[in-house]
Amino acid sequence: QVQLVQSGAEVKKPGASVKVSCKASGYTFASYGITWVRQAPGQGLEWMGWISAYNGNTNYAPRLQGRVTMTTDTSTSTAYMELRSLRSDDTAVYYCARGSGDFHFWGQGTMVTVSS
Amino acid sequence: DIQMTQSPSTLSASVGDRVTITCRASQSIDFWLAWYQQKPGKAPKLLVYEASKLESGVPSRFSGSKSGTEFTLTITSLQPDDFATYYCQHYSGYLWSFGQGTKVETK
Repeated sequence: QVQLVQSGAEVKKPGASVKVSCKASGYTFASYGITWVRQAPGQGLEWMGWISAYNGNTNYAPRLQGRVTMTTDTSTSTAYMELRSLRSDDTAVYYCARGSGDFHFWGQGTMVTVSS
Repeated sequence: DIQMTQSPSTLSASVGDRVTITCRASQSIDFWLAWYQQKPGKAPKLLVYEASKLESGVPSRFSGSKSGTEFTLTITSLQPDDFATYYCQHYSGYLWSFGQGTKVETK
């Protein structure tokens, strides 16, 4: 069965970087893209960007462009999302999801807290 | 960027009610729209994709429809398990986005 397992919760100081991982299993990793979505406490869902696991092509949300980098490691079927220059409003649950549009499978979420 | 305007933000309903949630796109997105259900502390769950295709395993009381740039999620007879927050999401082009969400609560 398809599974996306994300790395554990992180606490970071403002200005630092965070890298969240998403390990996929149960399907051919390179056949699907991975999307990252975040949700601030009590808020809605925000699409962050997408990466092709086939060729590494990416699309990022304009408001995060320049601070976010998405990568994949096909040898371990793992996707990564790195966010730099963290601010307090980056505090959120970060989700990975499989798909290039509609997301049929999701990771369990990773809480990232940015606090001094 | 394409904007999605979802309404209402909150909906009070009773078990057995017919519930309708609407999303309007700022421009044509063809049928590239999905609906998700989210419960507190959980990841979203896909209900409908490509505007009207029901995800496998989702009860048939859920349905999606499209009229121009207006999309609708309908729950024909609300069940206790359906009290949750619902989001639309477009995936037309290269920059995607979610609607603001609709919380379905008990009347």
